[in-house]
Amino acid sequence: GESVGLHLPTLSVQEGDNSIINCAYSNSASDYFIWYKQESGKGPQFIIDIRSNMDKRQGQRVTVLLNKTVKHLSLQIAATQPGDSAVYFCAENMQGNTPLVFGKGTRLSVIA
Amino acid sequence: EPEVTQTPSHQVTQMGQEVILRCVPISNHLYFYWYRQILGQKVEFLVSFYNNEISEKSEIFDDQFSVERPDGSNFTLKIRSTKLEDSAMYFCASSEMEDTEAFFGQGTRLTVV
Repeated sequence: GESVGLHLPTLSVQEGDNSIINCAYSNSASDYFIWYKQESGKGPQFIIDIRSNMDKRQGQRVTVLLNKTVKHLSLQIAATQPGDSAVYFCAENMQGNTPLVFGKGTRLSVIA
Repeated sequence: EPEVTQTPSHQVTQMGQEVILRCVPISNHLYFYWYRQILGQKVEFLVSFYNNEISEKSEIFDDQFSVERPDGSNFTLKIRSTKLEDSAMYFCASSEMEDTEAFFGQGTRLTVV
């Protein structure tokens, strides 16, 4: 599993560029994955999800890629905007096992 | 758009006191959760609740914690005798099914002094 600490990985991107946020998950039996966005002082906000029978899913300006072979999940944000600045968490879930398990998070900073 | 609502937004309490955190999940959701987030750290699962009983709980959810759904809309988390290390953001969440997206409330910031 991932270690917990006060220092989050940080990604800084120029406004208008594409962002790629990565996540390594720990449980090979996990079959449902979600990306959440958390702005300062707020709760996690659902962005996009993907099930293990898919390897790619697209939403509005966001794409999630799943590589089950290496237990890797990524979130791509197209044309990153200042409003995208937040901490992004991946979360995994195993069917029949209720709780979401969150990753450590990545802080995305968008430079205007 | 339906949302999970939590009250209060901020609670300050003295060590050893009892606190009750309140949540109103989304109305057609059947699964309810409490998570906490210590400042700067990741979101940690506490407990899940379905069909009026706890379905899963983590190691954090010890005997000082309890949950209740006192009526058809509220879902509460009680901490019986608060400790300094209970200071955190507490998030309530709900989902339609157990393997669908969970929607989170804005959180209650609990400060134990």
